[in-house]
Amino acid sequence: GQQLNQSPQSMFIQEGEDVSMNCTSSSIFNTWLWYKQDPGEGPVLLIALYKAGELTSNGRLTAQFGTTRKDSFLNISASIPSDVGIYFCAGQLVYNQGGKLIFGQGTELSVKP
Amino acid sequence: DGGITQSPKYLFRKEGQNVTLSCEQNLNHDAMYWYRQDPGQGLRLIYYSQIVNDFQKGDIAEGYSVSREKKESFPLTVTSAQKNPTAFYLCASIRSRSTEAFFGQGTRLTVV
Repeated sequence: GQQLNQSPQSMFIQEGEDVSMNCTSSSIFNTWLWYKQDPGEGPVLLIALYKAGELTSNGRLTAQFGTTRKDSFLNISASIPSDVGIYFCAGQLVYNQGGKLIFGQGTELSVKP
Repeated sequence: DGGITQSPKYLFRKEGQNVTLSCEQNLNHDAMYWYRQDPGQGLRLIYYSQIVNDFQKGDIAEGYSVSREKKESFPLTVTSAQKNPTAFYLCASIRSRSTEAFFGQGTRLTVV
């Protein structure tokens, strides 16, 4: 099935550092979503993007919908230990056959105090 | 409070047995989804349903079955035909005209 290419797969950073991760696809998307998953829990929605070029913030998190509609990135500024978890991008294709949400492979973030 | 409830949290199954995972939502969402998550992999779509009494196969539907008799409920049966069922299963729902999925807490299925 269709997949999003999310990178990096994992990151090990020091508390206070900024983090950047991105998702790319060969197809055009009309929606990009970013989720965070804590161990053993379901993903929680962080940011939703609906227009090409859109830049949206949620506290220390900032995400952008790429102008080509084929990519998106998520930045986390001044990381803290509770940022630890797996971050997923998700998207819905422009010419989608029925409402499927497609997910990236995830970026596992570890923060060292 | 509105939300999505998956049960049980942990489930153990003997090889050759069918098992059903429950997913209930009181958000009045039309669409519901089942995803499978394996370590180091993203979420893979098993089945989804956009309206009652209708559902479509996702990317990895083999060995699974679903029903959608009520708007609130979308149970997933893992059949004995699923050769590698040990995984974390996530249910999600989306309201009409939206793409923002809300997830349940997940069910961890282990075959013993």
